[in-house]
Amino acid sequence: DAMVIQNPRYQVTQFGKPVTLSCSQTLNHNVMYWYQQKSSQAPKLLFHYYDKDFNNEADTPDNFQSRRPNTSFCFLDIRSPGLGDAAMYLCATEQFFGPGTRLTVL
Amino acid sequence: QQQVKQSPQSLIVQKGGISIINCAYENTAFDYFPWYQQFPGKGPALLIAIRPDVSEKKEGRFTISFNKSAKQFSLHIMDSQPGDSATYFCAASIKGASGSARQLTFGSGTQLTVLP
Repeated sequence: DAMVIQNPRYQVTQFGKPVTLSCSQTLNHNVMYWYQQKSSQAPKLLFHYYDKDFNNEADTPDNFQSRRPNTSFCFLDIRSPGLGDAAMYLCATEQFFGPGTRLTVL
Repeated sequence: QQQVKQSPQSLIVQKGGISIINCAYENTAFDYFPWYQQFPGKGPALLIAIRPDVSEKKEGRFTISFNKSAKQFSLHIMDSQPGDSATYFCAASIKGASGSARQLTFGSGTQLTVLP
């Protein structure tokens, strides 16, 4: 059974049009992470939550925001996507990653 | 000091052969070393992990060897199969202070191709 679920699996947006990616977990873990992964690169941590405490990585652009309304759900908001934001976005808890959302920016 | 260096970048092995991927780290505070397997278009999947008080851990065809003094660890895939063809990432992490999260530092990845 899926433990970290991401929706949608594929998302297409237009340059500058806000987009929200969703993640849910069935593990009841305190921690949830958002990573960005570009082709042939390792995942890059954007931010994480420990319970409700939000921790932003120093080099994460302000264009990226996150919300965690409860333990199970977490959202990644990209306020004004640029072409350079096209990537796979991975949600994770503790050691487990979701399947990712592939974001295309036109 | 937070880097994890992984080699080789790519590896081609014949079916039935042994695949070996190496990683090195600097930060002696790392206390957990997982390996992830990632297929194209999928998220990384935890393959096997080790803590520094153990020198070797084996799960099926996958073995981690850990050398604490050299600050190196490696993944060995025995009897490699075409289905093992994927990208492999080593990682290292430190337990956060009380009330904070453990964070992973990834190696750069190794693209493994196992020829039939």
